[in-house]
Amino acid sequence: DADVTQTPRNRITKTGKRIMLECSQTKGHDRMYWYRQDPGLGLRLIYYSFDVKDINKGEISDGYSVSRQAQAKFSLSLESAIPNQTALYFCATSAAGANVLTFGAGSRLTVL
Amino acid sequence: ELKVEQNPLFLSMQEGKNYTIYCNYSTTSDRLYWYRQDPGKSLESLFVLLSNGAVKQEGRLMASLDTKARLSTLHITAAVHDLSATYFCAARSGGSNYKLTFGKGTLLTVNP
Repeated sequence: DADVTQTPRNRITKTGKRIMLECSQTKGHDRMYWYRQDPGLGLRLIYYSFDVKDINKGEISDGYSVSRQAQAKFSLSLESAIPNQTALYFCATSAAGANVLTFGAGSRLTVL
Repeated sequence: ELKVEQNPLFLSMQEGKNYTIYCNYSTTSDRLYWYRQDPGKSLESLFVLLSNGAVKQEGRLMASLDTKARLSTLHITAAVHDLSATYFCAARSGGSNYKLTFGKGTLLTVNP
Protein backbone atom coordinates (compact mmCIF):
# COMPACT_ATOMS: atom_id res chain seq x y z
CA ASP A 1 0.00 0.00 0.00
CA ALA A 2 1.08 3.55 -0.72
CA ASP A 3 2.46 5.64 2.14
CA VAL A 4 0.20 8.54 1.15
CA THR A 5 -3.18 7.63 -0.32
CA GLN A 6 -5.47 10.07 -2.08
CA THR A 7 -9.08 9.48 -3.00
CA PRO A 8 -10.62 9.89 -5.47
CA ARG A 9 -7.89 9.67 -8.10
CA ASN A 10 -10.13 11.21 -10.74
CA ARG A 11 -13.31 13.22 -10.39
CA ILE A 12 -15.48 15.09 -12.83
CA THR A 13 -18.04 17.41 -11.35
CA LYS A 14 -20.20 20.38 -12.21
CA THR A 15 -19.94 24.01 -11.24
CA GLY A 16 -21.44 24.69 -7.83
CA LYS A 17 -21.06 21.17 -6.47
CA ARG A 18 -19.30 20.42 -3.22
CA ILE A 19 -16.26 18.21 -3.54
CA MET A 20 -14.04 16.57 -0.95
CA LEU A 21 -10.62 15.14 -1.65
CA GLU A 22 -9.28 12.86 1.01
CA CYS A 23 -5.75 12.04 2.05
CA SER A 24 -4.49 9.44 4.47
CA GLN A 25 -0.95 8.49 5.37
CA THR A 26 0.89 5.67 7.07
CA LYS A 27 4.20 7.52 7.39
CA GLY A 28 3.49 8.70 10.93
CA HIS A 29 4.30 12.26 9.87
CA ASP A 30 2.83 15.18 11.76
CA ARG A 31 2.90 17.60 8.84
CA MET A 32 0.46 17.40 5.96
CA TYR A 33 -0.04 19.63 2.93
CA TRP A 34 -2.34 20.16 -0.02
CA TYR A 35 -0.83 21.43 -3.26
CA ARG A 36 -2.38 22.23 -6.57
CA GLN A 37 -0.55 21.66 -9.87
CA ASP A 38 -1.44 23.51 -13.05
CA PRO A 39 0.50 23.26 -16.32
CA GLY A 40 3.20 25.91 -16.45
CA LEU A 41 2.58 27.05 -12.89
CA GLY A 42 4.29 24.37 -10.88
CA LEU A 43 2.93 23.44 -7.47
CA ARG A 44 1.16 25.97 -5.31
CA LEU A 45 0.38 25.45 -1.64
CA ILE A 46 -3.29 25.55 -0.67
CA TYR A 47 -3.25 24.63 3.03
CA TYR A 48 -0.89 22.97 5.45
CA SER A 49 -1.14 21.48 8.91
CA PHE A 50 1.69 20.82 11.32
CA ASP A 51 -0.45 18.85 13.75
CA VAL A 52 -4.10 18.03 14.37
CA LYS A 53 -4.83 21.38 15.99
CA ASP A 54 -2.81 23.45 13.55
CA ILE A 55 -4.22 24.59 10.18
CA ASN A 56 -2.58 27.26 8.04
CA LYS A 57 -3.48 28.92 4.77
CA GLY A 58 -1.09 28.66 1.88
CA GLU A 59 -0.72 30.97 -1.06
CA ILE A 60 -4.00 30.05 -2.80
CA SER A 61 -6.52 29.10 -0.09
CA ASP A 62 -9.50 31.10 -1.39
CA GLY A 63 -12.34 28.76 -2.38
CA TYR A 64 -10.91 25.86 -0.40
CA SER A 65 -11.20 24.55 3.14
CA VAL A 66 -9.51 21.70 4.98
CA SER A 67 -10.08 19.39 7.89
CA ARG A 68 -7.45 17.48 9.84
CA GLN A 69 -9.52 14.68 11.27
CA ALA A 70 -6.58 12.79 12.76
CA GLN A 71 -2.83 12.75 12.54
CA ALA A 72 -3.12 10.50 9.51
CA LYS A 73 -6.00 12.20 7.69
CA PHE A 74 -6.22 15.57 5.96
CA SER A 75 -9.15 16.42 3.69
CA LEU A 76 -9.52 19.25 1.18
CA SER A 77 -12.98 20.60 0.35
CA LEU A 78 -14.26 22.78 -2.43
CA GLU A 79 -17.55 24.15 -1.10
CA SER A 80 -18.78 25.32 -4.49
CA ALA A 81 -16.55 24.15 -7.30
CA ILE A 82 -15.78 26.43 -10.22
CA PRO A 83 -14.09 25.60 -13.56
CA ASN A 84 -10.80 27.32 -12.70
CA GLN A 85 -10.38 24.83 -9.87
CA THR A 86 -9.80 22.18 -12.50
CA ALA A 87 -6.33 20.91 -11.65
CA LEU A 88 -4.23 18.08 -10.30
CA TYR A 89 -4.22 18.10 -6.51
CA PHE A 90 -1.47 16.54 -4.44
CA CYS A 91 -1.41 15.71 -0.78
CA ALA A 92 2.00 15.50 0.83
CA THR A 93 3.42 14.72 4.24
CA SER A 94 6.67 15.42 6.01
CA ALA A 95 8.40 14.86 9.28
CA ALA A 96 9.99 17.72 11.13
CA GLY A 97 13.66 18.39 10.49
CA ALA A 98 14.73 18.08 6.88
CA ASN A 99 11.10 18.38 5.80
CA VAL A 100 11.33 16.17 2.73
CA LEU A 101 7.86 15.82 1.27
CA THR A 102 6.29 12.46 0.46
CA PHE A 103 3.59 12.95 -2.15
CA GLY A 104 0.43 11.04 -2.84
CA ALA A 105 -0.39 9.90 -6.36
CA GLY A 106 -2.57 12.94 -7.02
CA SER A 107 -6.27 13.60 -7.54
CA ARG A 108 -7.28 14.94 -10.92
CA LEU A 109 -10.33 17.17 -10.62
CA THR A 110 -12.32 18.48 -13.56
CA VAL A 111 -15.03 21.06 -12.96
CA LEU A 112 -17.41 21.52 -15.88
CA GLU B 1 7.55 36.36 0.38
CA LEU B 2 9.78 33.62 -0.93
CA LYS B 3 9.78 33.24 -4.71
CA VAL B 4 11.53 30.49 -6.65
CA GLU B 5 12.47 30.74 -10.31
CA GLN B 6 13.78 27.94 -12.49
CA ASN B 7 15.32 28.15 -15.88
CA PRO B 8 15.05 26.94 -18.43
CA LEU B 9 11.43 25.81 -18.23
CA PHE B 10 11.87 23.55 -21.23
CA LEU B 11 15.02 21.69 -22.13
CA SER B 12 15.51 19.35 -25.04
CA MET B 13 18.84 17.61 -25.13
CA GLN B 14 20.59 14.82 -26.93
CA GLU B 15 21.73 11.70 -25.21
CA GLY B 16 25.29 11.97 -24.03
CA LYS B 17 25.26 15.75 -23.59
CA ASN B 18 25.66 17.74 -20.38
CA TYR B 19 23.42 20.50 -19.16
CA THR B 20 22.48 22.50 -16.07
CA ILE B 21 19.14 23.58 -14.65
CA TYR B 22 19.21 26.72 -12.51
CA CYS B 23 17.08 27.55 -9.50
CA ASN B 24 17.11 31.03 -7.99
CA TYR B 25 15.23 32.00 -4.86
CA SER B 26 14.39 35.46 -3.63
CA THR B 27 14.89 35.52 0.12
CA THR B 28 16.77 33.61 2.76
CA SER B 29 16.04 29.93 2.73
CA ASP B 30 17.49 27.26 4.93
CA ARG B 31 16.81 24.25 2.73
CA LEU B 32 16.75 23.60 -1.00
CA TYR B 33 15.07 20.55 -2.51
CA TRP B 34 14.98 18.90 -5.91
CA TYR B 35 12.11 16.67 -7.01
CA ARG B 36 11.44 14.66 -10.13
CA GLN B 37 8.04 14.07 -11.73
CA ASP B 38 7.52 11.53 -14.49
CA PRO B 39 4.60 12.17 -16.86
CA GLY B 40 1.30 11.40 -15.17
CA LYS B 41 3.04 10.49 -11.94
CA SER B 42 3.65 11.97 -8.54
CA LEU B 43 6.75 13.75 -7.36
CA GLU B 44 9.69 11.97 -5.82
CA SER B 45 12.48 13.51 -3.83
CA LEU B 46 15.93 13.62 -5.40
CA PHE B 47 18.08 15.81 -3.16
CA VAL B 48 17.97 17.95 -0.05
CA LEU B 49 20.69 20.59 0.25
CA LEU B 50 21.17 21.86 3.75
CA SER B 51 24.01 24.35 3.73
CA ASN B 52 26.11 26.65 1.61
CA GLY B 53 28.42 24.73 -0.67
CA ALA B 54 26.48 21.49 -0.30
CA VAL B 55 26.84 19.11 -3.21
CA LYS B 56 24.96 15.87 -3.69
CA GLN B 57 25.21 13.36 -6.50
CA GLU B 58 23.13 10.43 -7.61
CA GLY B 59 24.06 8.75 -10.84
CA ARG B 60 24.12 11.32 -13.64
CA LEU B 61 22.56 14.06 -11.53
CA MET B 62 24.46 16.43 -9.27
CA ALA B 63 22.91 19.22 -7.23
CA SER B 64 24.69 22.10 -5.55
CA LEU B 65 23.75 25.06 -3.40
CA ASP B 66 25.19 28.57 -3.11
CA THR B 67 23.25 30.35 -0.37
CA LYS B 68 25.08 33.63 -0.88
CA ALA B 69 23.97 33.79 -4.49
CA ARG B 70 20.60 32.21 -3.60
CA LEU B 71 21.20 29.72 -6.37
CA SER B 72 21.00 25.98 -6.72
CA THR B 73 21.96 24.03 -9.80
CA LEU B 74 21.06 20.56 -11.04
CA HIS B 75 23.73 19.31 -13.41
CA ILE B 76 23.04 16.48 -15.80
CA THR B 77 26.01 14.52 -17.07
CA ALA B 78 25.86 12.42 -20.24
CA ALA B 79 22.09 12.46 -20.38
CA VAL B 80 20.13 9.30 -21.11
CA HIS B 81 16.51 8.93 -22.19
CA ASP B 82 15.46 7.69 -18.74
CA LEU B 83 16.19 11.12 -17.32
CA SER B 84 13.31 12.62 -19.30
CA ALA B 85 10.95 14.11 -16.68
CA THR B 86 9.97 17.38 -15.08
CA TYR B 87 12.37 18.59 -12.40
CA PHE B 88 11.25 20.91 -9.66
CA CYS B 89 13.29 22.83 -7.15
CA ALA B 90 11.73 24.05 -3.92
CA ALA B 91 13.01 26.32 -1.20
CA ARG B 92 11.96 26.24 2.42
CA SER B 93 11.06 29.40 4.27
CA GLY B 94 13.17 30.03 7.32
CA GLY B 95 12.00 30.87 10.81
CA SER B 96 9.06 28.88 12.16
CA ASN B 97 7.17 28.74 8.88
CA TYR B 98 8.63 25.60 7.38
CA LYS B 99 6.67 25.46 4.17
CA LEU B 100 8.13 24.83 0.75
CA THR B 101 7.76 27.09 -2.26
CA PHE B 102 8.20 25.37 -5.61
CA GLY B 103 9.54 26.61 -8.89
CA LYS B 104 7.49 26.10 -12.05
CA GLY B 105 9.50 23.07 -13.07
CA THR B 106 11.82 22.24 -15.96
CA LEU B 107 10.51 19.80 -18.53
CA LEU B 108 13.52 17.81 -19.69
CA THR B 109 13.34 15.74 -22.83
CA VAL B 110 16.34 13.61 -23.73
CA ASN B 111 16.37 12.57 -27.37
CA PRO B 112 18.26 9.57 -28.76
